[in-house]
Amino acid sequence: SQQGEEDPQALSIQEGENATMNCSYKTSINNLQWYRQNSGRGLVHLILIRSNEREKHSGRLRVTLDTSKKSSSLLITASRAADTASYFCATDKNTGNQFYFGTGTSLTVIP
Amino acid sequence: DAGVIQSPRHEVTEMGQEVTLRCKPISGHDYLFWYRQTMMRGLELLIYFNNNVPIDDSGMPEDRFSAKMPNASFSTLKIQPSEPRDSAVYFCASTQGTGYTFGSGTRLTVV
Repeated sequence: SQQGEEDPQALSIQEGENATMNCSYKTSINNLQWYRQNSGRGLVHLILIRSNEREKHSGRLRVTLDTSKKSSSLLITASRAADTASYFCATDKNTGNQFYFGTGTSLTVIP
Repeated sequence: DAGVIQSPRHEVTEMGQEVTLRCKPISGHDYLFWYRQTMMRGLELLIYFNNNVPIDDSGMPEDRFSAKMPNASFSTLKIQPSEPRDSAVYFCASTQGTGYTFGSGTRLTVV
């Protein structure tokens, strides 16, 4: 399966702290994406990183990709209560446009 | 743009009944995906379309599941007959090549 696995499964931090989530995957990819899902809602696209990129920033988000280790990390800096959600990584097949989602990290930011 | 629109938001049906889930993708997006989300299995890709043509339906669990996309603005996922193990949240997503835009999902309960 192309599915990624996020680590940790659950993370609880205080507001203002940084949150780091990791994703490992099994086979070569073209792109990796991170998504957020608030309870009872659909997934929201956060950021896409291509296999030839090592790091990407978007606001308080920083994503790294290490293709040699088949892993990625998502860092949320200066977390806020509104960041409480589940975060998923998604990886594609080299030859397709379909993305396969990991099991997610549940992040709780305590005010 | 109103985003990806799914209907109904909630569906409760009796085992053996036919269920039809509907999706309107974002105009101009030429890829449409159907996912199923459960606590046990996470997000599973069921089927995806490109320019209204089914490309990969290997994730469709059984012959009881079928999906159509008669035109660029409408897709259906049908389950006939439904079973309790089909209970899940079903998401539709569309894209024109980068990040997916997800609908709010249909929560299906089969009793």
